[in-house]
Amino acid sequence: QSVLTQPPSVSAAPGQKVTISCSGSSSNIGNNYVSWYQQLPGTAPKLLIYENNKRPSGIPDRFSGSKSGTSATLGITGLQTGDEADYYCGTWDSSLSAGIFGTGTKVTVL
Amino acid sequence: EVQLVESGGGLVQPGRSLRLSCAASGFTFDDYAMHWVRQAPGKGLEWVSGISWNSGSIGYADSVKGRFTISRDNAKNSLYLQMNSLRAEDTALYYCAKDMGHLHSSDRGFDYWGQGTLVTVSS
Repeated sequence: QSVLTQPPSVSAAPGQKVTISCSGSSSNIGNNYVSWYQQLPGTAPKLLIYENNKRPSGIPDRFSGSKSGTSATLGITGLQTGDEADYYCGTWDSSLSAGIFGTGTKVTVL
Repeated sequence: EVQLVESGGGLVQPGRSLRLSCAASGFTFDDYAMHWVRQAPGKGLEWVSGISWNSGSIGYADSVKGRFTISRDNAKNSLYLQMNSLRAEDTALYYCAKDMGHLHSSDRGFDYWGQGTLVTVSS
């Protein structure tokens, strides 16, 4: 059972912006970095954002991350049909002494 | 090019054992922590276990603690997961993932993932 809560789904038209929230607590997001992953249908997860707001090489700046208190947010601007995927946040939980992922959010491009 | 290739999955009866392997290449394996993450059919990601660069620190999800054992062989650039007393709820695609840090408790993120190996526990 995940301790990071995400909305089940978000949607927008091509070219628009979506944001995905990830809500946690002081034992995880509040005191640790957050990363974000994109999972296209039938493929392995891919790192989009690490250390709250950094993008790995090759990830376009349409993807952005932020963190405030015990919540984190992934933003996707200029939405494309190729962005249709499941998105997960992840971090370390110091109380559980375990890695944790969010519940996942399905992004649909209308 | 970083590559992580999992193997060892298959169909196994409840209560039996299975050993997964992950062959790593394209990076300095013994500089980084490694993890196993699983995904049950149609479900989300679940962290299973992590091991630090030198095997000095290890962690497990409560759901597998006492049944699964993670290990690594830095000389062979390989990561392993010994799974004992398997249950139906362990059925999932098991991914090997590279950490961006040294410790299994790193919060830096998993920057490379394998394609996964499917474990099905059923009689």
